[in-house]
Amino acid sequence: GQNIDQPTEMTATEGAIVQINCTYQTSGFNGLFWYQQHAGEAPTFLSYNVLDGLEEKGRFSSFLSRSKGYSYLLLKELQMKDSASYLCALNTDKLIFGTGTRLQVFP
Amino acid sequence: DAGVTQSPTHLIKTRGQQVTLRCSPKSGHDTVSWYQQALGQGPQFIFQYYEEEERQRGNFPDRFSGHQFPNYSSELNVNALLLGDSALYLCASSLPGGNYGYTFGSGTRLTVV
Repeated sequence: GQNIDQPTEMTATEGAIVQINCTYQTSGFNGLFWYQQHAGEAPTFLSYNVLDGLEEKGRFSSFLSRSKGYSYLLLKELQMKDSASYLCALNTDKLIFGTGTRLQVFP
Repeated sequence: DAGVTQSPTHLIKTRGQQVTLRCSPKSGHDTVSWYQQALGQGPQFIFQYYEEEERQRGNFPDRFSGHQFPNYSSELNVNALLLGDSALYLCASSLPGGNYGYTFGSGTRLTVV
């Protein structure tokens, strides 16, 4: 089976940088997604890592290490609107999600 | 380009009743997956449909069933509703394998009383 761990909650200050970690155990997967989800809304796509390494997209970057069973999402220049839950998900021809990390950004 | 459409947006049902939720996939997508998301949790995979057949199924009882139509739209049916079935039900469409991404609908909020 698969197991995915993320911190439950994190807090940060507007303008700062925050790193959300995701560790997993799995027998195999196609890639790893990061989604943002505001309360009561649909998850929205942030990034998809298939190969090891860093993928940068504006203020958001995501990293994957398959050998270490580890990924992180890096958010720079935090804004109030970044307050949301961030979901790490393994793609095994379906999505296996972690419980999500609730990020609160304070002024 | 229409995204994923789910209906209804909200629903209140009584324990023991049956419910049907509907999903229209993003244009060009032929695979539909359903997820249940309890408050404060990540989405849990229910099942996936492709070519009108159930391809994969998560750890959900037989009370949860589904269907996919020739136009790729899908339904999720839940029988004998329990209080614990109260959740946000999300539909995601994709191409097979999901490597080109999954697009989520806004979900149906089901409350069982």
